[in-house]
Amino acid sequence: GNSVTQMEGPVTLSEEAFLTINCTYTATGYPSLFWYVQYPGEGLQLLLKATKADDKGSNKGFEATYRKETTSFHLEKGSVQVSDSAVYFCALSDRGETSGSRLTFGEGTQLTVNP
Amino acid sequence: DAGVIQSPRHEVTEMGQEVTLRCKPISGHNSLFWYRQTMMRGLELLIYFNNNVPIDDSGMPEDRFSAKMPNASFSTLKIQPSEPRDSAVYFCASSRDRGLYGYTFGSGTRLTVV
Repeated sequence: GNSVTQMEGPVTLSEEAFLTINCTYTATGYPSLFWYVQYPGEGLQLLLKATKADDKGSNKGFEATYRKETTSFHLEKGSVQVSDSAVYFCALSDRGETSGSRLTFGEGTQLTVNP
Repeated sequence: DAGVIQSPRHEVTEMGQEVTLRCKPISGHNSLFWYRQTMMRGLELLIYFNNNVPIDDSGMPEDRFSAKMPNASFSTLKIQPSEPRDSAVYFCASSRDRGLYGYTFGSGTRLTVV
């Protein structure tokens, strides 16, 4: 079956540090890949996505590249801010043959950025 | 668009009581998903609908849980009878294009069963 593995947290960084959160996946076929962010007390928000190999998703300074050869979709940001403190989820969509697709989520990585 | 709307935001109930969670998806979205989030198990897909039809309910933990989608703009998740281990945050999400381009999540219902 499909699965997503994220680097374990929590991750604590100082403001303006470089961020990498690793994500690897197992899937049949060619899934779409996503990063979601969850701020305290809120639902998940789509941060960025990539729908085919070598695509780069980007948003709010975050980037991730769909690497089929390494089955990875690592999240990066060059300079984090305190406001980036949240839980980050990697996910894939299985493009199922039946009606509707489901998202498979990783376990989430808690990021805390200190001033 | 107001996004995916869930109600109530918080629910505290006594063990054995019936609980009904509600969701209004984004207009035009034809897929709807119910998730449960806990510290121990993370995010779990309970059930999803496509065009108001349940496609996969294999994630529903047991017969105490049931979900309906009587029309394209409304869905309910019911727990009867509720138990303390049902305490969690329940999220509803909707999507179009069969979810291939991501979901939009609601703000969730935090359920506490005492």
